[in-house]
Order: sequence, then C-alpha cells, then structure tokens
Amino acid sequence: NAGVTQTPKFQVLKTGQSMTLQCAQDMNHNSMYWYRQDPGMGLRLIYYSASEGTTDKGEVPNGYNVSRLNKREFSLRLESAAPSQTSVYFCASSEGSVSTQYFGPGTRLTVL
Amino acid sequence: QKEVEQDPGPLSVPEGAIVSLNCTYSNSAFQYFMWYRQYSRKGPELLMYTYSSGNKEDGRFTAQVDKSSKYISLFIRDSQPSDSATYLCAMSQGAGSYQLTFGKGTKLSVIP
Repeated sequence: NAGVTQTPKFQVLKTGQSMTLQCAQDMNHNSMYWYRQDPGMGLRLIYYSASEGTTDKGEVPNGYNVSRLNKREFSLRLESAAPSQTSVYFCASSEGSVSTQYFGPGTRLTVL
Repeated sequence: QKEVEQDPGPLSVPEGAIVSLNCTYSNSAFQYFMWYRQYSRKGPELLMYTYSSGNKEDGRFTAQVDKSSKYISLFIRDSQPSDSATYLCAMSQGAGSYQLTFGKGTKLSVIP
C-alpha cells in the first residue's frame, strides 16, 4: 500500500517548455487535489477533482490544466512553463470533502 | 487580512518542553480544523483533526479550537527532537467544500 505517489520527484524546465506531473493513489479515494507550496505562501490549491469525471479550479489555477484519468490517477499539466511556476507540487487524495487529505511526497520543479 | 494567520517562527525549544502552536482565522464558516506536520522535503501528514469547538487529545498532542475567538492551538507535551518539523494549520468549511485553507506553517526545532 503506497498511498499517494508522484512522478517525477525533481524536474528542471526551460521557460516555454511543457510537462505533465503524474499522481496516483491506491486508497480507493474519490477526491484528488493538486497544491503548490512556495516559501512564505503556504500550500495553495491549484485544482481538485471531487470525483472521477469532475474537475474544479482552486485558488491558483492559471497556467495549469488537469486530467482525472480514472479513479486512481490525476495529472497536472503545464503547457508553457514560466519561472513563476517554480515550486514544490503536492498531490493529495481523500474519501470526500470532509475527509482527511493524504499527501504525496512532492515534485520539486524549477523553471529557468 | 489573510483568512488564516500563523506565526512562521522559527521556534526553538529544549527537549522536554511544552510547545504551543497557534493559528487565527477570519472566516466564521470554517468548521473543520486540522494540524499537519511536515518534515523537511516531505509531504504534509495529518496530526490532528477536530470538528467545531473543543479539545482533542492524542498521546502527547492536544488540539484546541475556540470558534468564538477564531483561534486554534496545538500543544505538544514532552517535546522530542523527532518533533522538529514545520506545523501547518488547515481549515475547511465542511461538507461539499473541498478546499482546505492552510496557514503558512511554523517551523519548530526541539534541541536535545
């Protein structure tokens, strides 16, 4: 039982490049989330998926797209990376809206 | 005014001390209150989860919520060097609201 897994662990991009961050959970959770964590800003929600087949914007969605591929997997795509997207990205999952959110280990992204 | 305010510290205490960590908030709609612990370069992990006002105890950890004052606290008794981490408070409005609002985190060091 791995919980929430994220790939890659580290990534360096040049401005304008695209990439997809992958997330998978094996807890049969309905809801999944993408956060970014920046120094002095705390954790901020980018997008979430309340259930398979639905996605909604969070606090900071601009510059990102998401896909809920199936119940287990939720990906985050940067179409044209910008230096402002340098951050640590965390995926999380939960059974529902008031349930505990379980976090993955994070992806450290640097955009040059 | 930020929705959730948390002193970033750093806070340094000797081993065995009682630690008090606090958050204030402005949104009276918050009903669920959480404390997460985050070790360096790891994902957050849930420590305590409380609903509405009151106290909850789990081993050396006690969470308090005072909704009338919009103030929550986490107490750590007999602190250990392994408690050295960043502590994040988080809040939710409850059923149907998937977004957690996080404080910026307080960095705690417990000195042997």
